[in-house]
Amino acid sequence: GQNIDQPTEMTATEGAIVQINCTYQTSGFNGLFWYQQHAGEAPTFLSYNVLDGLEEKGRFSSFLSRSKGYSYLLLKELQMKDSASYLCAVRDSNYQLIWGAGTKLIIKP
Amino acid sequence: ETGVTQTPRHLVMGMTNKKSLKCEQHLGHNAMYWYKQSAKKPLELMFVYSLEERVENNSVPSRFSPECPNSSHLFLHLHTLQPEDSALYLCASSQATGTGNEKLFFGSGTQLSVL
Repeated sequence: GQNIDQPTEMTATEGAIVQINCTYQTSGFNGLFWYQQHAGEAPTFLSYNVLDGLEEKGRFSSFLSRSKGYSYLLLKELQMKDSASYLCAVRDSNYQLIWGAGTKLIIKP
Repeated sequence: ETGVTQTPRHLVMGMTNKKSLKCEQHLGHNAMYWYKQSAKKPLELMFVYSLEERVENNSVPSRFSPECPNSSHLFLHLHTLQPEDSALYLCASSQATGTGNEKLFFGSGTQLSVL
């Protein structure tokens, strides 16, 4: 079966750096997405990786290793507003999106 | 206006009620989706419409009935639901390109409680 694994919950301190990991086993691969979802709000797109390597967008970076079935989302200079759930999703060979259960990130002052 | 709007934001219904969820997208996209989001579980795709034609129905019980009258509007009609149907129902839209990098734009969802 197809599966996406990510930690259920993580805690970090304001101003620090946190890395949220995502591992996947899917039938084929056509890209990996990260979405951010604040409580009670819509998930919003953060990043898309289809080639190996690091993509940087301001304070957020996303890394992909296709050979390892692994990605991470790196958040730098954490702010209180970064408290949210982070969803990892992989598009498989049939272009279906396979979702992880999300990682709830708690930022403490 | 926000890109994808869902109403109502909250809904409480009994198991014998009939209600409808509404979604409207203002992005000019050609595909719309219904997802179910339960606590600590992955998003579950329920229905997909592309160019107003239903292209996917992931073994969803018949008590959920989708309707897509045009490319901007999507409804989910609910009847005789069960308590386990309580969840956040998310609508999304995208511009289908077939290239894999198309991203979804979500609405804020309807939090449904079935009593």
